[in-house]
Amino acid sequence: QQQVKQSPQSLIVQKGGISIINCAYENTAFDYFPWYQQFPGKGPALLIAIRPDVSEKKEGRFTISFNKSAKQFSLHIMDSQPGDSATYFCAANTGNQFYFGTGTSLTVIP
Amino acid sequence: ETGVTQSPTHLIKTRGQQVTLRCSSQSGHNTVSWYQQALGQGPQFIFQYYREEENGRGNFPPRFSGLQFPNYSSELNVNALELDDSALYLCASKASGGTDTQYFGPGTRLTVL
Repeated sequence: QQQVKQSPQSLIVQKGGISIINCAYENTAFDYFPWYQQFPGKGPALLIAIRPDVSEKKEGRFTISFNKSAKQFSLHIMDSQPGDSATYFCAANTGNQFYFGTGTSLTVIP
Repeated sequence: ETGVTQSPTHLIKTRGQQVTLRCSSQSGHNTVSWYQQALGQGPQFIFQYYREEENGRGNFPPRFSGLQFPNYSSELNVNALELDDSALYLCASKASGGTDTQYFGPGTRLTVL
């Protein structure tokens, strides 16, 4: 059973555009929601994270929007750049376990 | 680059063999988690160690076992390897046993033939 559902599986965006990746969860015990960026051959790197008492968090070009009642959260990448081309994972944490989404492969076309 | 290192980078084993993967956590981190990432999938939580004790485990069989040492480095051992064990094995460390930021290492690519 997939604890965190992520969509879309792949995304192609023009340079300068907005990339949006969505995640949904069921377990209301989750209390920490990070997003990771992974390049081929590398481990995931933390981009930005949010806790459920906040509806939005922004760091540079990256924004997390969090809807606690809908049990959904999303990553927005503003002014997308070719260097943003990577696989993005959402995740959720409860207790001593992290659950990851299945990943979104983002390609930013110059 | 995080301060988490893993060895070896790549490993090839045959079915039925045993393997040990190693991880050095970032300085100041006392919690280490291990993940299995199959090709094209998200990381799957295997287990977590906090101060040398396993304190969380995902849906993996007992042939996946681990250790954490007093310096907080860690090992993942897999016995009786199966073809489906072929994956990228990731180690992540964080500063406490609670909900804090994890930092991942580059992973060990295991191929089982």
